Amino acid sequence: GIQVEQSPPDLILQEGANSTLRCNFSDSVNNLQWFHQNPWGQLINLFYIPSGTKQNGRLSATTVATERYSLLYISSSQTTDSGVYFCALMDSNYQLIWGAGTKLIIKP
Amino acid sequence: KAGVTQTPRYLIKTRGQQVTLSCSPISGHRSVSWYQQTPGQGLQFLFEYFSETQRNKGNFPGRFSGRQFSNSRSEMNVSTLELGDSALYLCASSQLQGGPGNEQFFGPGTRLTVL
Repeated sequence: GIQVEQSPPDLILQEGANSTLRCNFSDSVNNLQWFHQNPWGQLINLFYIPSGTKQNGRLSATTVATERYSLLYISSSQTTDSGVYFCALMDSNYQLIWGAGTKLIIKP
Repeated sequence: KAGVTQTPRYLIKTRGQQVTLSCSPISGHRSVSWYQQTPGQGLQFLFEYFSETQRNKGNFPGRFSGRQFSNSRSEMNVSTLELGDSALYLCASSQLQGGPGNEQFFGPGTRLTVL
């Protein structure tokens, strides 16, 4: 089955810093999503990005499907960006296969 | 448009009991999926329903079951609860089953504690 690996597993930054989170996957993809899970457990959709580049405010994402990776960029980090960031791909049985997540802590 | 709603938000049960969790998808969404999240196992797929039919099931014992109603609302049931069933249960809805339009949107989850 599809394997999804995220790096780094943990990231601690000062407020205002920039960061890049990576998601590598083992198979071709037609559905890739990035989520932010807040401390209360809510999964918030960030990007639906099977290919190409998208931007939303301070966040942007790029997926290079041919090289099987996706990147999530966070610029000018704020404390509210803290939480766990997940990359997830949909397999041929229409279930999301999840990475282990990157735990991001933004210090004031 | 209202998001995905789940009830109850928190639940405490004892071993051996059973529990039913409810999920109402975004209006117009016909696919509902359920996931279990635990610290040790991460996010794991339970099952997916589309137009009242279970189309896929994850690797969970038969104690875990679900159904979907004609209005797309879904319930999942866990019978004979075990301590290891303590988890955050997340429901997701999407408009289409499969294909490029299958972005999934999640509810706030139900946090189940089994004592």
